[in-house]
Amino acid sequence: GENVEQHPSTLSVQEGDSAVIKCTYSDSASNYFPWYKQELGKRPQLIIDIRSNVGEKKDQRIAVTLNKTAKHFSLHITETQPEDSAVYFCAASMADSWGKLQFGAGTQVVVTP
Amino acid sequence: NAGVTQTPKFQVLKTGQSMTLQCAQDMNHEYMSWYRQDPGMGLRLIHYSVGAGITDQGEVPNGYNVSRSTTEDFPLRLLSAAPSQTSVYFCASSYRTGANSEAFFGQGTRLTVV
Repeated sequence: GENVEQHPSTLSVQEGDSAVIKCTYSDSASNYFPWYKQELGKRPQLIIDIRSNVGEKKDQRIAVTLNKTAKHFSLHITETQPEDSAVYFCAASMADSWGKLQFGAGTQVVVTP
Repeated sequence: NAGVTQTPKFQVLKTGQSMTLQCAQDMNHEYMSWYRQDPGMGLRLIHYSVGAGITDQGEVPNGYNVSRSTTEDFPLRLLSAAPSQTSVYFCASSYRTGANSEAFFGQGTRLTVV
């Protein structure tokens, strides 16, 4: 089955700096790659996703890039703010695997003022 | 819309007890799934359903049962609780489109088995 590895496990950044989280996946049949943000004690919430027919997607300060050949995708957060502090999870899903997500282990991001 | 609602929010069980975690969604989503979240391991899929009457196993199904008699409800049953089942449980739902789509999560159930 699919295996998703996520790095780093913790990331400390100064407010205003950029943060990058990287994930690799094992199954070339995966075609959907969402990123979820989970604040302490809260539910995971989707912040951005990308499909395999797209190489990059941006939404304000957040961007995701996908390299299908290398089977890795990354989350980029620019101009970080204290409210970006949370755990971020990458995930992968294969075509026709309706609602089945394989998650990475998560990255704890701490933004210090 | 309430979205995805889980009950209870917290539960303490004794080893060997059984219980049912409730999950309901009001978005008419076809897909529903249960994940458990353990420190350092992300979210792992327990069981999922692609529609009423259809369920299948995920990555860590042992010790859990599910059923889906209606589109709205997807309860998770712990047959005989074990300390290894201490975890935070999340129910999620998503709609069916031509491709995979966003999963909406419930607020979670924190379960402790002593």
